[in-house]
Amino acid sequence: LAKTTQPISMDSYEGQEVNITCSHNNIATNDYITWYQQFPSQGPRFIIQGYKTKVTNEVASLFIPADRKSSTLSLPRVSLSDTAVYYCLVGARSGNTGKLIFGQGTTLQVKP
Amino acid sequence: DAGVTQSPTHLIKTRGQHVTLRCSPISGHKSVSWYQQVLGQGPQFIFQYYEKEERGRGNFPDRFSARQFPNYSSELNVNALLLGDSALYLCASSSPGYTEAFFGQGTRLTVV
Repeated sequence: LAKTTQPISMDSYEGQEVNITCSHNNIATNDYITWYQQFPSQGPRFIIQGYKTKVTNEVASLFIPADRKSSTLSLPRVSLSDTAVYYCLVGARSGNTGKLIFGQGTTLQVKP
Repeated sequence: DAGVTQSPTHLIKTRGQHVTLRCSPISGHKSVSWYQQVLGQGPQFIFQYYEKEERGRGNFPDRFSARQFPNYSSELNVNALLLGDSALYLCASSSPGYTEAFFGQGTRLTVV
């Protein structure tokens, strides 16, 4: 399974756009890129998944360049409630596998 | 529709004891996975069960075991508890028809 590298922590202010980049140099052809969000003492929650180019939902956007060796999670206009740990995962589509490989994640701190 | 439910939410055990954690997946999901999350780290995969059969096992000692019942609920058992087993234990259910895995709130196990 491809290993991912992402910043340990990031700070932002309310109302700003936050971009978290994840590196996955050894991504396989069949791999998807998935981001999860986790609040303290809760289970991770799915944010977004993509294979290539750009994916957008009501919560975030995911940008994937053509070589797919990295990806960027974009959170528009963050609020205090977006303070959480964000995990980038690479592998089969989550619903098709029970085995998710989490790294350390990026702790996002949103300040007022 | 109920999400993934885990019980108990918290428990305290003494070193050397045995513990059983329980998980009920989302209705219709046949895959259940277990994860251990130590404070400050991402969740680590322990087991996956699909249709009552073990489909994957992480790098955990034999003290850890699990099973899945005909109704697709699951139990995680840990024998001879060590202080290092103190963690948040997460259960996730998934289905090939879905993009994401769904996590429960977890069971906080403290070994003293």
